[in-house]
Amino acid sequence: NAGVTQTPKFQVLKTGQSMTLQCAQDMNHNSMYWYRQDPGMGLRLIYYSASEGTTDKGEVPNGYNVSRLNKREFSLRLESAAPSQTSVYFCASTTPRVRAEDTEAFFGQGTRLTVV
Amino acid sequence: GQQLNQSPQSMFIQEGEDVSMNCTSSSIFNTWLWYKQEPGEGPVLLIALYKAGELTSNGRLTAQFGITRKDSFLNISASIPSDVGIYFCAGCSFASGTYKYIFGTGTRLKVLA
Repeated sequence: NAGVTQTPKFQVLKTGQSMTLQCAQDMNHNSMYWYRQDPGMGLRLIYYSASEGTTDKGEVPNGYNVSRLNKREFSLRLESAAPSQTSVYFCASTTPRVRAEDTEAFFGQGTRLTVV
Repeated sequence: GQQLNQSPQSMFIQEGEDVSMNCTSSSIFNTWLWYKQEPGEGPVLLIALYKAGELTSNGRLTAQFGITRKDSFLNISASIPSDVGIYFCAGCSFASGTYKYIFGTGTRLKVLA
């Protein structure tokens, strides 16, 4: 059981380039999230998808787009990368509450993105 | 954007010492979660708290859900070198069909052998 898988693990982009970060979960979770982590800032929500077919903006959505391709996959796209988007990106998933334990979000290992 | 106030920001402690960290918020949460992140990895859940006033232990870890639902603390007893990492609190509320997680800024723990 792989949990949440992110690809790639590392990426270097030039300013203005575009790329897509991939995330897949095999836990049959309904909700998926994209966070960015910057030093001293904790984890900030970029976009989330409550269920297949829906996406919503989080705290810091500017410069990003997302696609919930199916229940398993949630991708994050940078259309024109900027140095301010240098960060570590985490995907997470969870599922609407059936049990209290379903509150727990599971994270991928992260994608370390550098924009030069 | 909303973030939780987590303190301390960093700690250097001797092996064997106890550690305490806490999170406070201006908002009420239904659930509090504590995560640990090691270098190069994603956050991993340590403890989840579901009821106000709840005190939960997981080995050397003890966490409490504040009675006001606006705060939580995490204690680590008898620290060991592998406790090194960044600890995050997260408040969770349910809205619009999904969970919303707000994270603290993290407590970076270093244990000196």
